[in-house]
Parts: sequence; structure tokens; C-alpha cells
Amino acid sequence: NAGVTQTPKFRVLKTGQSMTLLCAQDMNHEYMYWYRQDPGMGLRLIHYSVGEGTTAKGEVPDGYNVSRLKKQNFLLGLESAAPSQTSVYFCASRETGLATSDTQYFGPGTRLTVL
Amino acid sequence: AQKVTQAQTEISVVEKEDVTLDCVYETRDTTYYLFWYKQPPSGELVFLIRRNSFDEQNEISGRYSWNFQKSTSSFNFTITASQVVDSAVYFCALRNTGGFKTIFGAGTRLFVKA
Repeated sequence: NAGVTQTPKFRVLKTGQSMTLLCAQDMNHEYMYWYRQDPGMGLRLIHYSVGEGTTAKGEVPDGYNVSRLKKQNFLLGLESAAPSQTSVYFCASRETGLATSDTQYFGPGTRLTVL
Repeated sequence: AQKVTQAQTEISVVEKEDVTLDCVYETRDTTYYLFWYKQPPSGELVFLIRRNSFDEQNEISGRYSWNFQKSTSSFNFTITASQVVDSAVYFCALRNTGGFKTIFGAGTRLFVKA
């Protein structure tokens, strides 16, 4: 099992450019999440999904869009990047159910810089 | 509203010292989970422990121990005989049972000097 993988690992964008971050998990988890991590602020939830075809807003959704067309993939899009979106982005998936540890597993992160 | 507070921004200790990382949480729900994660300098997030709100037993795993006190809404993490490899950012987190979202504290950066 690869667990949770993220593509790319690093990216530099110019203001106004667009990009998509890909998260993939091979654990058959229903729930998936996108977080951003900024110094001194911990992890803040951008968007999440509770199953294929569903998405919902988290704490800081503005400027981002997501899609969950396949259960194993959760895409995070930036339509017009801004310097305030410079951050480290983490994807996570979570197993659910009484027979599970109900734990979130995180990807390795994507470091995004917007100039 | 849910909230997790890690008041210690940075802690610096010398190897072999014991160190306690504080975590205070707020929630209106009666059942919830508390978590600790470790983020070493390499950047990945490593799950350390999950605690159910109805289980107030302290837990020990090697040099790590956790003290959960519902009366003070605290879930503190102690590292005994710290080592340089313990240097990392540690996050405390909270999620209501059956909830979708996990709320993270701002993290405590631990430096362990040789």
C-alpha cells in the first residue's frame, strides 16, 4: 500500500496562474480532506469529502475548488493563485466505522509558493 | 464551537530531560476523540495516539505518555528522557464522535539539544 500520495511535491506559481493538486489513496477510505499549514496556525481545513461525488467547505475554502470524481482521488484546484495561498498543503484520508481506528492518514505534503 | 489550544509555541530542552506538551480543548459535545500528531523536520505528519472521551485512563507507550483529564479539558503529552530525534512540531487535535472535521491546535515546536 502506498497510503496517501500527493502530486506534485513542490510548485512555484506566478500570481494569477492556475494549478491542480492531486491526492490519491489506496486504502478505500470514504473520507478525504485538504488542509493548509501556515507557520503558527496549525492545520486549517480547506475542503473535505465524505464520499465519491461529494464535497463540502471547511474553515478556509475561498480561492479553492475541489472534486472527488473517483473514490481514491481528491483534487484541489487554485483557479487564480494569490501570494496568500503560499503554504504547505496536506491531503488526508480517514477510515470510518466501528471496526476501524477512525484515524486520519496524511500525505507527504505539497509546498506551494506563489510569487 | 470547538477549539484546541497549545499555549507553548516552542520548548527547548537538553537531551534526557522530561518534557510535557500541554493541550487544552473546548467542545460542547459529550463524546469526542483527541489526537496527537508528530511532524518531524522532514515534514510528514505522523499519528501518535487517539483517545476516546469516555476513556480517561492514562496511556504509556515507551517514553511517551498521555494524561487525559476531562475535568480540566486537557490532554497533555509527556516525553520521558527526551532524545534529539524527538525534535519536531507536535499537534494536538479534536474531533467529535461521528463528526467529519478534525480541529488542530497551532502546534508546539520541541527542540531537544544534545
